Amino acid sequence: DVKVTQSSRYLVKRTGEKVFLECVQDMDHENMFWYRQDPGLGLRLIYFSYDVKMKEKGDIPEGYSVSREKKERFSLILESASTNQTSMYLCASHSAGSTSPLHFGNGTRLTVT
Amino acid sequence: KNEVEQSPQNLTAQEGEFITINCSYSVGISALHWLQQHPGGGIVSLFMLSSGKKKHGRLIATINIQEKHSSLHITASHPRDSAVYICAVSRGFHTGTASKLTFGTGTRLQVTL
Repeated sequence: DVKVTQSSRYLVKRTGEKVFLECVQDMDHENMFWYRQDPGLGLRLIYFSYDVKMKEKGDIPEGYSVSREKKERFSLILESASTNQTSMYLCASHSAGSTSPLHFGNGTRLTVT
Repeated sequence: KNEVEQSPQNLTAQEGEFITINCSYSVGISALHWLQQHPGGGIVSLFMLSSGKKKHGRLIATINIQEKHSSLHITASHPRDSAVYICAVSRGFHTGTASKLTFGTGTRLQVTL
């Protein structure tokens, strides 16, 4: 069974702090994604990566950066957290060039105070 | 107007009822996904389809590419089906590998005894 693990279930951070959200998958998937989910807006793509050290901006990359140093790990970084980044963050992965579905982590609920 | 629209937004049904959730999209797609999200956040992929119909247990998903419409049906609904059901479309392949998704805002289903 594919497992996508997000390091924290709940996080509370202060405005201005640097925040790291970690995501690890165990199925050797090439593609990994970071989404945020907000009421009434659905899931929105922040960044995605299709290979180690490769990254591309999604629909809402402002205020975020990512790191993919190893194939299994995709990190989302909030350089200076702000209250409007309070949200549910979901990581997902899937295999490239196939019809395999997306596999999601359980999400990290981040609150920035 | 959102690229992916779901209806209804909220749905309450009694146990045993037949349920239909609709999804319409306005962009060209390579595949459509139905996802299930239970309280607590984790998202599970139910179906990925690009044509016709798929069935898994009590769940049936259909898609009409010409009409840009998909439906998710639940037969003999049960309280454990209570969840948010999300429609998402793959907007084709970017850089030859990763497929970006656009999500609907979800349908919240509650099945009561």
